[in-house]
Order: sequence, then C-alpha cells, then structure tokens
Amino acid sequence: QVQLKESGPGLVQPSETLSLTCTVSGFSLTSYSVSWVRQPSGKGPEWMGRMWYDGDTAYNSALKSRLSISRDTSKNQVFLKMNSLQTDDTGTYYCTRDWGYFDYWGQGVMVTVSS
Amino acid sequence: DIQMTQSPASLSASLGETVTIECRASEDIYNGLAWYQQKPGKSPQLLIYNANSLHTGVPSRFSGSGSGTQYSLKINSLQSEDVASYFCQQYYDYPYTFGAGTKLELK
Repeated sequence: QVQLKESGPGLVQPSETLSLTCTVSGFSLTSYSVSWVRQPSGKGPEWMGRMWYDGDTAYNSALKSRLSISRDTSKNQVFLKMNSLQTDDTGTYYCTRDWGYFDYWGQGVMVTVSS
Repeated sequence: DIQMTQSPASLSASLGETVTIECRASEDIYNGLAWYQQKPGKSPQLLIYNANSLHTGVPSRFSGSGSGTQYSLKINSLQSEDVASYFCQQYYDYPYTFGAGTKLELK
C-alpha cells in the first residue's frame, strides 16, 4: 500500500538549516510527484514545493530563496532543505503524493525552531 | 497568489443535520479545488477533488459542488466521526493555497 514517512530533527536552532527526508513505499518516484506541505499549529496548511516525477521541481515563491527539494530514486526518498530558519517556521511538516491535490499524506514531523 | 477564503471559521451542528462549508477563491480556479478533513493530531485526509469527485473510500454523505470562484462542501446526516477541521485547497495555479479551515463540532 501507499505510504510516506517523514524523518528529521524535531528541534532546530534559529538561523540554522532544516533537513528532512520523506521515504515512500507502494509507488515509484519516477511515476508520481511528491510535495512538501507544512502546517503551523492551529492554522491552515501551506504548500512548500514539489518534486515532479521527472525530476523537475517547483517552489512556493514565498520560500524559494531558502528552500531546496531533491530526491534519490534508488532509495525512494525525497529531501527537503530549508535554511535561515526562524520561529515562524515552527510547525508540522508533511510529505504528500501530489496530483495537484494530495491523496496520501505522511504522518508528519513536528519541527520546533527555538534556541 | 490565489487567496482562499473559507467560511464559517467554526460550526456547531447536531447529529443527523446537514452541514455546508463554503470556500471562495480570489479568482477563477476552474474546478481545481480539493477538500480535506483533519482530526486532532492526525494528517489531513482527502475527501473531494476536482471540486465534486469523491475520493476512494470516502462516505457518500460527503459531496462537493461549485464553479468559478465559489465552492462548497456538504455533509449530509452528520455523524460523530465527522467532528474535525475541514480545509479547501486550490491547485489551479502555483503556489497551491489552502483555506484557513472550518472547525466542526457537535452541538
């Protein structure tokens, strides 16, 4: 069955870089696109960016200068790196299978930006 | 960016009641709209895509409608397991954007 699972640190220092990994199973990264979506506590989600099935990427313009998404198809993994983290980057980060809409979501990883 | 305005922000309804949640886009999104349900501590779950297509496994009491800039999610015969937050999302144009959510509670 389709599964996505995020992993990475729960606590990041302000101004540091966040690195997250999404490991997928049940589908191929060369056939389906994967997006990262984050959600501050008690607020609506925010789309961050997408890794297309063909290896191309698309980013939310609000985050583009700080964000990088890459993948390793041999390991069925998609990576997120975002630099210069601030306290308002605190929230739950999800990877999702992306058709434009998101039909499968990972469990999410809670990231807190704090010193 | 396309702004998604969702209403109401919160809603209290009785079991068996019919509930409607609205979502307005700041420009025409040509039915590129999805609805999600999120229960506390859980990931969002897809309910509706393409404005009115029911995702696999979603109960038929959920339905979506609308066009242009105005869309709605209807829940017929409200069940206790429907208590959750609901979000709309447009995927007509980048960046994809979400509504702020509607929190549905039982009266």
